Amino acid sequence: GQQVMQIPQYQHVQEGEDFTTYCNSSTTLSNIQWYKQRPGGHPVFLIQLVKSGEVKKQKRLTFQFGEAKKNSSLHITATQTTDVGTYFCAGLNTGGFKTIFGAGTRLFVKA
Amino acid sequence: DVKVTQSSRYLVKRTGEKVFLECVQDMDHENMFWYRQDPGLGLRLIYFSYDVKMKEKGDIPEGYSVSREKKERFSLILESASTNQTSMYLCASSLGQGITEAFFGQGTRLTVV
Repeated sequence: GQQVMQIPQYQHVQEGEDFTTYCNSSTTLSNIQWYKQRPGGHPVFLIQLVKSGEVKKQKRLTFQFGEAKKNSSLHITATQTTDVGTYFCAGLNTGGFKTIFGAGTRLFVKA
Repeated sequence: DVKVTQSSRYLVKRTGEKVFLECVQDMDHENMFWYRQDPGLGLRLIYFSYDVKMKEKGDIPEGYSVSREKKERFSLILESASTNQTSMYLCASSLGQGITEAFFGQGTRLTVV
């Protein structure tokens, strides 16, 4: 079945350093979404990418969707302690209702 | 704001009990989902529903069933709870019609003893 792999599982950074998490699907996706889950909280939607090669920015966050619509990345520039949490990608399979989540990347930021 | 409400934040049940987890959304969303979240495994889809009385199996439906009698309510049922069903359960809803942004409830941490 469809799988969405996300790496790394954990990342420790010093405040001010950059951070990137990568997401790869075994099949072509209709779209990819990114969510952030703060410690003790629930996942909160960040953004959705739909077009091949799409790049979107939200302040220090840059999201990319691959040309083949099978991979994606989230890059955070100059991390802050408020960025702490787990970042999940979630891919919608083509022609379906089923959104498959990656395992998440947990980000730790040291002040 | 969309609100997805799960009936319990914490729940402790005994092995073999029948367990009901309730989820209600207030934004007339078509799609509703149940996930379980375990460390290192992310969110795994148990069941989803794209309409009243409709349900589809997700990736790990074994040991679970669901009910959607009304559009706003999606129930997850553990027919006979087992210790390997100890987990965080998250309900989510999305508008449907191509809009896939999911709104999550606060989660129910279920412990089966």
